[in-house]
Amino acid sequence: AQSVTQLDSQVPVFEEAPVELRCNYSSSVSVYLFWYVQYPNQGLQLLLKYLSGSTLVKGINGFEAEFNKSQTSFHLRKPSVHISDTAEYFCAVSRGGSNYKLTFGKGTLLTVNP
Amino acid sequence: EAQVTQNPRYLITVTGKKLTVTCSQNMNHEYMSWYRQDPGLGLRQIYYSMNVEVTDKGDVPEGYKVSRKEKRNFPLILESPSPNQTSLYFCASSLSGTGLEKLFFGSGTQLSVL
Repeated sequence: AQSVTQLDSQVPVFEEAPVELRCNYSSSVSVYLFWYVQYPNQGLQLLLKYLSGSTLVKGINGFEAEFNKSQTSFHLRKPSVHISDTAEYFCAVSRGGSNYKLTFGKGTLLTVNP
Repeated sequence: EAQVTQNPRYLITVTGKKLTVTCSQNMNHEYMSWYRQDPGLGLRQIYYSMNVEVTDKGDVPEGYKVSRKEKRNFPLILESPSPNQTSLYFCASSLSGTGLEKLFFGSGTQLSVL
């Protein structure tokens, strides 16, 4: 079985500061990894995904994530956050290309303060 | 505009009164899925469908039914709702079930069962 652990339930930061949202996964087979973002009162949107190839993945809105197979991690980073980045962020893992087995983490609420 | 449409946006009902939450997508997607979102638990998959007339259980299917008679529609049915089904529900779709394409999410349905 696959699982996802988001290590922080809440991350408060000041505007223009860097941020890292941590995600660890467990799976006995190869996986696809995703970060989704949920703005207040909206559905989820895909930020970025790792399928294969380069371990550094760039997404929308200046976010990037690095896949680390040895540490089974897929941390999300942004060098300088804006107020508009305030949202809940979900890490998700899909086993071996099967979208129907997409497992989400419990989410990290990023709050950007002025 | 490509979208996943859920209705209603908000629903308050009483225990035992059958209800249906509709979901429709206009992107000719094969894969559709229902999730529930609860505080501290993230998103958990209820049911998914790989194509018309093909549905299967997700992680928390108890108390729910689905049907996929047409490609565009994937309604979620609660035959006898109970208070523990009070939650925020999301429908999602993707082109296929391979995990290579992103999931498109609806705006959500906030259900309260009294």
